[in-house]
Amino acid sequence: TQLLEQSPQFLSIQEGENLTVYCNSSSVFSSLQWYRQEPGEGPVLLVTVVTGGEVKKLKRLTFQFGDARKDSSLHITAAQPGDTGLYLCAVPNQAGTALIFGKGTTLSVSS
Amino acid sequence: EPEVTQTPSHQVTQMGQEVILRCVPISNHLYFYWYRQILGQKVEFLVSFYNNEISEKSEIFDDQFSVERPDGSNFTLKIRSTKLEDSAMYFCASNEREREKLFFGSGTQLSVL
Repeated sequence: TQLLEQSPQFLSIQEGENLTVYCNSSSVFSSLQWYRQEPGEGPVLLVTVVTGGEVKKLKRLTFQFGDARKDSSLHITAAQPGDTGLYLCAVPNQAGTALIFGKGTTLSVSS
Repeated sequence: EPEVTQTPSHQVTQMGQEVILRCVPISNHLYFYWYRQILGQKVEFLVSFYNNEISEKSEIFDDQFSVERPDGSNFTLKIRSTKLEDSAMYFCASNEREREKLFFGSGTQLSVL
C-alpha cells in the first residue's frame, strides 16, 4: 500500500473549470507539501501546510490540510492551460530527513 | 531565483557501465539529496547528504550507488555498474536547512541499454 494516495490519477478539463485533487493517508503528518512538476523539470514547491485545518491560498489555488493532519486537498478555481502539470503531495519521513511523495495527479487544462 | 543545476540533461549508457551524474546545489545550501523518478512512477528518495557524509539512504541506494562532494560546489551520484532498471530521471535537490523548502534541479534522464 502507498503511504500517500493521490486522486484522481488523471484529470482533463476545459479552461475556466474548477477542480479539486486529493492526497490521503491513514498516517498523521507533522506537515505536508504540494509540488507541481512540468514535463522535463523537477518538482517545484507550491506550499507547505503544518496545522490541522489550515487553509492556504496561492492566487487561484487553495490548499487545505485535514483537521487530523492525515489528508489534504488542492482546489483550483478557473483553471488555465498554464496550470497543466503533475501535482504531487509529499510528507517528511519519520526522521524528517527526506520527503516521501505520492504518485501525483496529472492535470491537463485545454483552452 | 537561484537554481540547482544538473548535468548532463540526458545520459545514455550500456548496461554494466559506470555513470556519474553531476549537480551544483544552490551555493548557501547545506543539505543535498538525490531522488529518482522512473517513468510513470512516483518520485523516490535515494540519499541525503550533510556535512560531507550520508545522513540517510533508502533501500534503493545499494552498494552500486555512491555520492560525493568532490569540491565546494559539486555533488555527484555515481552508479558503479548500471542495470536496465536504473533507467530513470534522477533529480538533485538542496535546501539551506533540513525540513525547509527543497529546491530541485531539472534532472538527468538516464537511459540504460
